[in-house]
Amino acid sequence: AQRVTQPEKLLSVFKGAPVELKCNYSYSGSPELFWYVQYSRQRLQLLLRHISRESIKGFTADLNKGETSFHLKKPFAQEEDSAMYYCALLNNAGNMLTFGGGTRLMVKP
Amino acid sequence: DAGVTQSPTHLIKTRGQQVTLRCSPKSGHDTVSWYQQALGQGPQFIFQYYEEEERQRGNFPDRFSGHQFPNYSSELNVNALLLGDSALYLCASAPVQGLSYEQYFGPGTRLTVT
Repeated sequence: AQRVTQPEKLLSVFKGAPVELKCNYSYSGSPELFWYVQYSRQRLQLLLRHISRESIKGFTADLNKGETSFHLKKPFAQEEDSAMYYCALLNNAGNMLTFGGGTRLMVKP
Repeated sequence: DAGVTQSPTHLIKTRGQQVTLRCSPKSGHDTVSWYQQALGQGPQFIFQYYEEEERQRGNFPDRFSGHQFPNYSSELNVNALLLGDSALYLCASAPVQGLSYEQYFGPGTRLTVT
């Protein structure tokens, strides 16, 4: 069985502060992980995927297989980063995406 | 391209009734997945359709069924509705089944069961 855990329901930081959204997973196969974001009144959209190793909107995430984690980080939060963030794991067959419960990030001015 | 579209936007049903939700995938996509998102929770995978067949199913009872049409659009049917079925139902499409292409999500259908 595959499982994704996001331990924080809410994370509140001030503008310019560093941000780390935690994600832990459980999966017996080779994991492929994603971060999805949902801004207010918008649909769920892909933020980044671990295999691409790219930085999107200043966010990065590193897959740590030893700790089974895929934390999302940004060195300096911006107000426009305020949104719901979901960590997700894709099964090896590529046909089932398992989401965590989500973390609401609030960036205060 | 309007992206993934879903209808209706909102729906209110009574316990025990049946409901059908509809999804049109993004242009060029042939794989459709359905998710249930209860309030305050992340989306939960219901099933995925490709080539008009259910290819993968999550942990949902048989009351949840689906269909995919030759034009790749899809329907989600829920029978014998329970109060606990109240949720946002999301549809997502991708260009190829079985590969880790980005899934594009629709705006969802808000189902309320009274």
